[in-house]
Amino acid sequence: LAKTTQPISMDSYEGQEVNITCSHNNIATNDYITWYQQFPSQGPRFIIQGYKTKVTNEVASLFIPADRKSSTLSLPRVSLSDTAVYYCLVGDPHNTDKLIFGTGTRLQVFP
Amino acid sequence: NAGVTQTPKFQVLKTGQSMTLQCAQDMNHEYMSWYRQDPGMGLRLIHYSVGAGITDQGEVPNGYNVSRSTTEDFPLRLLSAAPSQTSVYFCASQSLARVTYGYTFGSGTRLTVV
Repeated sequence: LAKTTQPISMDSYEGQEVNITCSHNNIATNDYITWYQQFPSQGPRFIIQGYKTKVTNEVASLFIPADRKSSTLSLPRVSLSDTAVYYCLVGDPHNTDKLIFGTGTRLQVFP
Repeated sequence: NAGVTQTPKFQVLKTGQSMTLQCAQDMNHEYMSWYRQDPGMGLRLIHYSVGAGITDQGEVPNGYNVSRSTTEDFPLRLLSAAPSQTSVYFCASQSLARVTYGYTFGSGTRLTVV
């Protein structure tokens, strides 16, 4: 099965940029990397998805190096409302339809 | 635009009882899946489906059955509930197109087995 590794937790202050890295050493050649945000008692919410290099949308950027063995979610100028758990998601390298979540990173933003 | 609808939102079962968690989506997504999330933990894949009539096992399939007779519906059946199945269950769907907006999740079913 796919195995992704993320830091368990991170702390930040409002206004700072936060970078969360996910390691996915055995990602399949044709697989995408997707990141989600989850608040307590809610289902995860899609943030951003990418295949290689850099992707940016209105809430985040995703950096993927050439070897694609890791990815970094960048949240610019976080606010208190960004306190949540962040997950990366990739497919099983032998079956990319089997989508496995990482353990998640609990981000705490302080005033 | 309802998205992914899960019912019920809460359920208490006695050990050994069976029940079906319902999941329906109205986005014509080919891919649907079920995850469970234990308190303070991440999401684990139970079963998934890439289209009507096709299902496959995820990470933790034991004790659960699924079927996919239509594109819209993907029910999860607990065969004989056990306390270890106490968890929050999330259904999710997404398009199979390579560039997508990822999963849309339902609001979850909180199941307690006593």
